[in-house]
Amino acid sequence: AQSVSQHNHHVILSEAASLELGCNYSYGGTVNLFWYVQYPGQHLQLLLKYFSGDPLVKGIKGFEAEFIKSKFSFNLRKPSVQWSDTAEYFCAVKDTDKLIFGTGTRLQVFP
Amino acid sequence: DADVTQTPRNRITKTGKRIMLECSQTKGHDRMYWYRQDPGLGLRLIYYSFDVKDINKGEISDGYSVSRQAQAKFSLSLESAIPNQTALYFCATSDFLASTDTQYFGPGTRLTVL
Repeated sequence: AQSVSQHNHHVILSEAASLELGCNYSYGGTVNLFWYVQYPGQHLQLLLKYFSGDPLVKGIKGFEAEFIKSKFSFNLRKPSVQWSDTAEYFCAVKDTDKLIFGTGTRLQVFP
Repeated sequence: DADVTQTPRNRITKTGKRIMLECSQTKGHDRMYWYRQDPGLGLRLIYYSFDVKDINKGEISDGYSVSRQAQAKFSLSLESAIPNQTALYFCATSDFLASTDTQYFGPGTRLTVL
């Protein structure tokens, strides 16, 4: 079965800093990959997803992620974070008929 | 997004009590899921259902049961709650016909078992 690793458990940044959150999945073949965000006190919302085609995927709020098949990675990036990006971020991979989530990365952005 | 609703939003109960968490959706999706979220562990799948007659165990189904009363309703029960079931529980839905596997989450139920 697939598994997902998010190695950054807690990231602290100042506003305007660049962000990259790591996500690795366990094995190759055709993969469907997702990033979800959970703002404080809220439910999970989809940030972006990759199914096929261009490996650079753009999502909402200026986020993007790059699928690198050779590295089994799907890292999330944002060139300049804002205080409002403070949230927990979850990477997920489709495994047969369900999603497998990573353990999440907590991002804190200070003004 | 009120398309997926969960009741109650917060619940405190005692060890040994039976608890039911309810999920309703107006998105018309056929697939529904129950997850629990624990700090440092992310989201773990408890049960999922692809239609009213289809129920599947997830990663951590022990101690839980579910009922899919209708396409729009999916309930999670803790037959005899224990303290390590204290967690945030999320319901989610997805649309098989959309073929994107995007899941849409409810607001969550915070359950505390004393």
